[in-house]
Parts: sequence; structure tokens; C-alpha cells
Amino acid sequence: SQTIHQWPATLVQPVGSPLSLECTVEGTSNPNLYWYRQAAGRGLQLLFYSVGIGQISSEVPQNLSASRPQDRQFILSSKKLLLSDSGFYLCAWKGGATEKLFFGSGTQLSVL
Amino acid sequence: GQNIDQPTEMTATEGAIVQINCTYQTSGFNGLFWYQQHAGEAPTFLSYNVLDGLEEKGRFSSFLSRSKGYSYLLLKELQMKDSASYLCAVSTDSWGKLQFGAGTQVVVTP
Repeated sequence: SQTIHQWPATLVQPVGSPLSLECTVEGTSNPNLYWYRQAAGRGLQLLFYSVGIGQISSEVPQNLSASRPQDRQFILSSKKLLLSDSGFYLCAWKGGATEKLFFGSGTQLSVL
Repeated sequence: GQNIDQPTEMTATEGAIVQINCTYQTSGFNGLFWYQQHAGEAPTFLSYNVLDGLEEKGRFSSFLSRSKGYSYLLLKELQMKDSASYLCAVSTDSWGKLQFGAGTQVVVTP
């Protein structure tokens, strides 16, 4: 069966520090991968999606970047965090046989 | 632009029925999803509608009218564990990108 792993679960970082969040999927190949952010009391906002290794599409201009160095690995990064980067970050995947997204357990990021 | 609207909060009694409405205006349509999200956790899939009509799955049912840009999620025989946020999401293209509403917080009282 397929599983998605996301870490860390919580992170507290100072403004201006770098960020790296990692997500890996097991049990499937060539998945579509997504990074979403959920601000407090708001809906999920799509940040990036990827349909293959090295292929990244950005949905909104921002202080973040994404990379997909391997088929089942998706990384969210920042060189210098802003206060507005705080939120709940969710990685998700979709296989070819289904339309639904499966989400990882999320990372609660607090930038102070 | 994309617009997905759903009520902010609903309260219902244990054992009752609650209907959560969702209206959408999007540039494309490739299906509508409902997810359940407990506080601090990942969303979990509840239902998917791509054709008009009602989809029933146990205590949960979801309805879609594409011509009206409207869906609802019906929760029957409410249980305390159903207290959660319910997210309406629209797939707007074949890449699987979902646009989410802000979510409806359902509070189930004894």
C-alpha cells in the first residue's frame, strides 16, 4: 500500500533563517506531488506541484521554492523565512489511477 | 478567478443530520471533493463527485449540480467524532490541482 511521510511535525524558526521540509512517498511510482499551506482559520492554498523529477510549477509568487530530486521525494525550501511564512504545510500525492489527493501528516511551522 | 464558498461554522446535536453547502465558480471543472480535517491533522478524503447527482457512502452523502455550481455534503446520525472542519475542493484541470474553500467547522453537541 502507498504511504506518505512528511517531517518534521513541528518547527519553530527565527525570521531570516533557512527552511527545508521533506516529503517522501512509498508504494507508488511517478506520482504527482503537491505542497499546500494552510494559514490559521483559512483554506488550503496550493504552493507548488510536480508531475515528474525536476519539474516544478509554482502557483503563487512567494518566498519559498520546491525541488524534486527523486521520483518520490519533494522538498520545500526557503533561504530566509518571513513571519508570513508561518502556517501548516501539507504535502500530498496523486496516483494516475485516481483523482483524489492523499495528504501527509503536515508540518506546523512557526516563524518568530 | 477561483471562488469556492462554504459556511464558516455549523452546530448540530448528536444523532441529527447536517447539510454543508458549497458553491463554486472556477475556470475549469474536473470534479468536486469533500475532505474532513480534525484540528492539527491532515485532511482525509470523504467523497468525489464528477457527474451530477448524489453519491452515498455510509453516513455521508455528497451531491453535485454542475449547472448551478453547487454541492452539498450530508452527514447523518451525527457522532461526537464528526466534530471537524469539512473542506470543499474543486479540481480545475487534469493535473490534479485542487482549489479549496475555507472549510466549515462542524460542532456536534451532546
